[in-house]
Amino acid sequence: QVQLQGSGPGLVKPSQALSLTCTVSGGSISSDDYYWSWIRQHPGKGLEWIGYIYYSGSTYYNPSLKSRVTISVDTSKNQFSLQLASVTAADTAVYYCARDRYDILTGYYYGMDVWGQGTTVTVSS
Amino acid sequence: EIVLTQSPATLSLSPGERATLSCRARQSVSRYLAWYQQKPGQAPRLLIYDASNRAAGIPARFSGSGSGTDFTLTISSLEPEDFAVYYCQQRSNWPLTFGGGTKVEIK
Repeated sequence: QVQLQGSGPGLVKPSQALSLTCTVSGGSISSDDYYWSWIRQHPGKGLEWIGYIYYSGSTYYNPSLKSRVTISVDTSKNQFSLQLASVTAADTAVYYCARDRYDILTGYYYGMDVWGQGTTVTVSS
Repeated sequence: EIVLTQSPATLSLSPGERATLSCRARQSVSRYLAWYQQKPGQAPRLLIYDASNRAAGIPARFSGSGSGTDFTLTISSLEPEDFAVYYCQQRSNWPLTFGGGTKVEIK
């Protein structure tokens, strides 16, 4: 049973960088069909996809955040991480990590089937 | 970016009633569509993938249909634990996008 555990500071000062890590347990991050995603949810709002990384290091970011986002992977630790630069109050949100399953050979999409518990990040001085 | 529009925004129903939720895409997403349920204070949970396939452990009262631009999530008979917010999500084009959500509330 794969589980995801997000971790990181709950409070970040404006203009600083937000840094979160997601640890994968019960399975390998280096699996062919999985893309490791970050999603956020502003208070009382819907879901916003930030980006994902493949175990090889390939990434895709949401263009709305691309200039400030870096997602990285550490296969030796079975972890992937999010860095968001130059945060403002508008980046206050719950940040989720999730496993997105897509079979590139068959083109079959299995959805985001495993989610972390969510990390609440507040941007405030 | 593919915009997903969910309707209605809120659905007020009683336990035992049938719920029909709509998700419309501005351009075709083929069958690359998933549905999620989210309860307060919890992470979303995958219900349906590939437009019509139930995820592991999801009760049979949940069903999905559609392809292209029009999709439907149906809950055949609402149980008390089904009152929540439901989101659709597409993976046809980058960036991945979610609909704005439909809240199913107790009438």
